[in-house]
Amino acid sequence: SDVLTQIPSVSVAPGQTATITCGGKNIGTKSVHWYQQRPGQAPVLVVHDDSDRPSGIPDRFSGSNSGNSATLSISRVEVGDEADYYCHVWDVTSDPPDVFGTGTKVTVL
Amino acid sequence: QVQLQESGPGLVKPSETLSLSCNVSGGSMESFYWHWLRQPPGKGLEWLGYIYSSGLTNYNPSLKSRLTLSVDTSGSHFSLSLKSLTAADTAYYYCARSIWASSPKNYLDYWGRGTLVTVSS
Repeated sequence: SDVLTQIPSVSVAPGQTATITCGGKNIGTKSVHWYQQRPGQAPVLVVHDDSDRPSGIPDRFSGSNSGNSATLSISRVEVGDEADYYCHVWDVTSDPPDVFGTGTKVTVL
Repeated sequence: QVQLQESGPGLVKPSETLSLSCNVSGGSMESFYWHWLRQPPGKGLEWLGYIYSSGLTNYNPSLKSRLTLSVDTSGSHFSLSLKSLTAADTAYYYCARSIWASSPKNYLDYWGRGTLVTVSS
């Protein structure tokens, strides 16, 4: 199956902005969803359909998607944002169609 | 708040069958899709399949011959059975929920914490 490419790690100071990218051919034509996974905890949906936030997710989390890259931005980063982040798309041309990114570990310095 | 909790053996022998269950609390199972995914240690996520509350299933083609999903909505749980295990099946196994499936909007809005299954003699 296809894989979405993510940078393995991103380091950011508290209060700064973390930018996590998810690369895939024509990903801008697909809906991208993002999950946060803290160590030992269940993954949490933080953005769906490119830029929509579920109830309870702070507006510090935002998403965008265009061309061959989707982006999850975390502004005013907090220590609690340290986690692995995964992107996810449903791609009808892939088998199976549910495709996940390779994951990005965000470290808060 | 919907919560999902996986349960099952942590160690299974090669060639045997893995049985996992996912208990759902805090909400009804009706009209939702219930998924299984896995993640080998240090690797990426792999979608295994889903079952709708009616019993409709959809499987990852690479596992279709070995995987069976079932659901018990009155008992608030759904289950996975994976046969003919090998070391390659060693992974964290997660259950999750979606409102839609087989569509671009099939995001997974609730997940379990996952359970590590090791296949070894």
